[in-house]
Amino acid sequence: AQSVTQPDIHITVSEGASLELRCNYSYGATPYLFWYVQSPGQGLQLLLKYFSGDTLVQGIKGFEAEFKRSQSSFNLRKPSVHWSDAAEYFCAVAPFGNEKLTFGTGTRLTIIP
Amino acid sequence: EADIYQTPRYLVIGTGKKITLECSQTMGHDKMYWYQQDPGMELHLIHYSYGVNSTEKGDLSSESTVSRIRTEHFPLTLESARPSHTSQYLCASSETGIAYEQYFGPGTRLTVT
Repeated sequence: AQSVTQPDIHITVSEGASLELRCNYSYGATPYLFWYVQSPGQGLQLLLKYFSGDTLVQGIKGFEAEFKRSQSSFNLRKPSVHWSDAAEYFCAVAPFGNEKLTFGTGTRLTIIP
Repeated sequence: EADIYQTPRYLVIGTGKKITLECSQTMGHDKMYWYQQDPGMELHLIHYSYGVNSTEKGDLSSESTVSRIRTEHFPLTLESARPSHTSQYLCASSETGIAYEQYFGPGTRLTVT
C-alpha cells in the first residue's frame, strides 16, 4: 500500500523568506501527486498536482513543486512567503487509475513578521 | 469556484444521539467522498460514491453510513454517537474524467460528550 511522509510537523518562517516543505512517498510506481492547503476553519484547497511530464509544476498562490523520482519526493516551494500563507499543508498521492487519495499527516506553517 | 457546503460547521452532542452531517455540492460532480480528520493526523477516507445509488466504504472503518439519492447530496449518518466519533469530517467531490482533483467543503467539527 502507498504511504506519504511529511517529516516536518511544524515549520516557522519569517515573512519574505523562502519556503520548502518536504514530502516523500512510498509506492511501486510513480503515483499522481498533490499538494493541498488548509487554512484554519476551512476545507482543503488544491495548490498543484503532478501527473506526468515536466517535473517542476507551478501552482496557485506562487507555489511550485518538484518531482524527483530517484528520491521519491515531491517537495513544495515558495521563494517568498506572505503572512497569508500560514496554514496546514498536506501532500497526497493517488495510484494511477485509482481516485482514492492517501494523505500525509500535514505540515503546519507559521509565519513570523 | 468550487461550491461544496457542509452543515453544521460545529456540533456538540451527547452520547447515544443520532446525527446526520449534511454535504451538498452545486457543481454536478458524480463522485463524492467523506474523510475523517483528527488533529495532527492525515485525512482518512471513510466513504465514497461514484454516483446516485452508489456508495462504498473507504480505507478507514467507520460506524457511520451514507446515502446518495441525489447527485448533489451526500449525507453521513451516525445512528448512535459515541465519544470516539469526536473528529472533523470533511466532504469532497470530483468530476468524472478529472478524477483526482477533489474539491473540499469547510468541514464539520463533531464533539460527542
